[in-house]
Amino acid sequence: SQTIHQWPATLVQPVGSPLSLECTVEGTSNPNLYWYRQAAGRGLQLLFYSVGIGQISSEVPQNLSASRPQDRQFILSSKKLLLSDSGFYLCAWRVASNNSPLHFGNGTRLTVT
Amino acid sequence: GDSVTQMEGPVTLSEEAFLTINCTYTATGYPSLFWYVQYPGEGLQLLLKATKADDKGSNKGFEATYRKETTSFHLEKGSVQVSDSAVYFCALQLNTGNQFYFGTGTSLTVIP
Repeated sequence: SQTIHQWPATLVQPVGSPLSLECTVEGTSNPNLYWYRQAAGRGLQLLFYSVGIGQISSEVPQNLSASRPQDRQFILSSKKLLLSDSGFYLCAWRVASNNSPLHFGNGTRLTVT
Repeated sequence: GDSVTQMEGPVTLSEEAFLTINCTYTATGYPSLFWYVQYPGEGLQLLLKATKADDKGSNKGFEATYRKETTSFHLEKGSVQVSDSAVYFCALQLNTGNQFYFGTGTSLTVIP
């Protein structure tokens, strides 16, 4: 069966520090991969999605970036964190076919201080 | 543009009460529709889905029917339990496949 791993589960970082969040999927090939952010008490904001290695689509311009160095690995990065980057970051995957749903990881709670 | 609008929360119900969480959508073409549930501190879990008009998705006593004429996908459960306390998200997937739009979530608390 397929599983998705996200780490770390929680992270506290000072303003101006770098960020690297990692997500890996097991048990499937060539998945579509997604990064969402969920601010406190709000819905989900799509940050990036990827349909293949090295292919990244950015939905919201900001100081975050994403990379997909391997088929089942998706990394969210920042060179310098802002206070407004605090939130709950969710990685998700889906089979690359019509009507297939998203499957989410357990999320990373990021607090920028 | 494409979007999902769901009922504002929070919703508080007594155990065994009937639940309805409204969801309406705006989309071109024929989207697929989903309900996800998020328990505290966790990611979202797929609860149910429907891929075409008049389909009914169901799981764990929850149901939702894809109504194209009213562009709605309301979530219902006949008798809620304390363990159903969570945040519920309605979502649509465009028929291109890659893009999903989520509602803002509805918090449900069930009290004994």
